[in-house]
Amino acid sequence: KQEVTQIPAALSVPEGENLVLNCSFTDSAIYNLQWFRQDPGKGLTSLLLIQSSQREQTSGRLNASLDKSSGRSTLYIAASQPGDSATYLCAVRDNYGQNFVFGPGTRLSVLP
Amino acid sequence: EAGVAQSPRYKIIEKRQSVAFWCNPISGHATLYWYQQILGQGPKLLIQFQNNGVVDDSQLPKDRFSAERLKGVDSTLKIQPAKLEDSAVYLCASSLWGISGNTIYFGEGSWLTVV
Repeated sequence: KQEVTQIPAALSVPEGENLVLNCSFTDSAIYNLQWFRQDPGKGLTSLLLIQSSQREQTSGRLNASLDKSSGRSTLYIAASQPGDSATYLCAVRDNYGQNFVFGPGTRLSVLP
Repeated sequence: EAGVAQSPRYKIIEKRQSVAFWCNPISGHATLYWYQQILGQGPKLLIQFQNNGVVDDSQLPKDRFSAERLKGVDSTLKIQPAKLEDSAVYLCASSLWGISGNTIYFGEGSWLTVV
């Protein structure tokens, strides 16, 4: 059974810092991995999608990497801003079906 | 493109009462998911539909939860009778099927408080 963990659980940084969020999964037989953002009281918004054959994806100040063999992904946020404050979740989609398994999320606070 | 629509957004009920949530996925999306998200945790899959057939309902508490997706479009999730531990956000999501169906799109959720 696939399990996804994320560290740290919470992170508070001053504005302008570069930061890294970590995601680990137990079964490397994944179809893809997706990073989401969740604002308080809102649903999840997709940020980046990495196919199992890819090593990284970039969108603006965000860069996500994937090391499938070691069961790890990182989300790098450059030059953080207060508007980046949210919970960031990673989810893996397995090869056996269409299900997404989510991690518990990292709650990020960027202080002005 | 219209997103995933859910209603109601908020619901407060007493334990042992019943509640129903409605979801309208993105047009053309064959796969529909219902997730339960308890505060401070990631979403947990309750049920997954492919068109109007059930793909995975292994984590659905079938003694009190039921879901249907008639005609392969809208879906309803029902809880009867509700327990205190059912207090959570119920997220509906949809995606295309097959190779192109990579990204999953979420609605804003239905917030349930059971008192």
